[in-house]
Amino acid sequence: KAGVTQTPRYLIKTRGQQVTLSCSPISGHRSVSWYQQTPGQGLQFLFEYFSETQRNKGNFPGRFSGRQFSNSRSEMNVSTLELGDSALYLCASSFRGGGYNEQFFGPGTRLTVL
Amino acid sequence: SQQGEEDPQALSIQEGENATMNCSYKTSINNLQWYRQNSGRGLVHLILIRSNEREKHSGRLRVTLDTSKKSSSLLITASRAADTASYFCATDYGNAGGTSYGKLTFGQGTILTVHP
Repeated sequence: KAGVTQTPRYLIKTRGQQVTLSCSPISGHRSVSWYQQTPGQGLQFLFEYFSETQRNKGNFPGRFSGRQFSNSRSEMNVSTLELGDSALYLCASSFRGGGYNEQFFGPGTRLTVL
Repeated sequence: SQQGEEDPQALSIQEGENATMNCSYKTSINNLQWYRQNSGRGLVHLILIRSNEREKHSGRLRVTLDTSKKSSSLLITASRAADTASYFCATDYGNAGGTSYGKLTFGQGTILTVHP
């Protein structure tokens, strides 16, 4: 079974621009979670989608948004980029996204904001 | 913050030795998962231990969970240079006995270096 894939792997943007990241979960997994990883704050939860619905959201500003499609693929968007948005963005998929389900992570998208 | 804490922050050992990493958390959990990360890449899932389990094994890995102390430990036996990585514990806190809907709360991680 193929793992979680993320595209693109690397991105360089300038302040004020917007960016869209994509995540394809493991086949059969319906939950996709997104995380931001920075040296200062570590791994922080952004949001989770299940069956095209956002079920949970972390403490990030409204510039961070996401969506999920009927095939469970998910995208996240960051508008009006700031220098502090430079980070590794990780998505994770799981069967149902709660309780005893393992989360499996993709390789991440490294975003650099100049 | 609900983040767990891991110790030590860094651990340096020789090949063949055992490595033990500890994780503490703050409130009751549904499960706790351990992950490995190499050089800023994606996280590799190692083990999930449920709140009603006390110990799990997977190959050279042994995870224990003590819910009374709100702590977990990861033991890697007979370590290899390839085990060099950052190790994270992640907790699924749930809410009032329900599910946290895909949210894991991560510790700051332990950086393990295994010297050949």
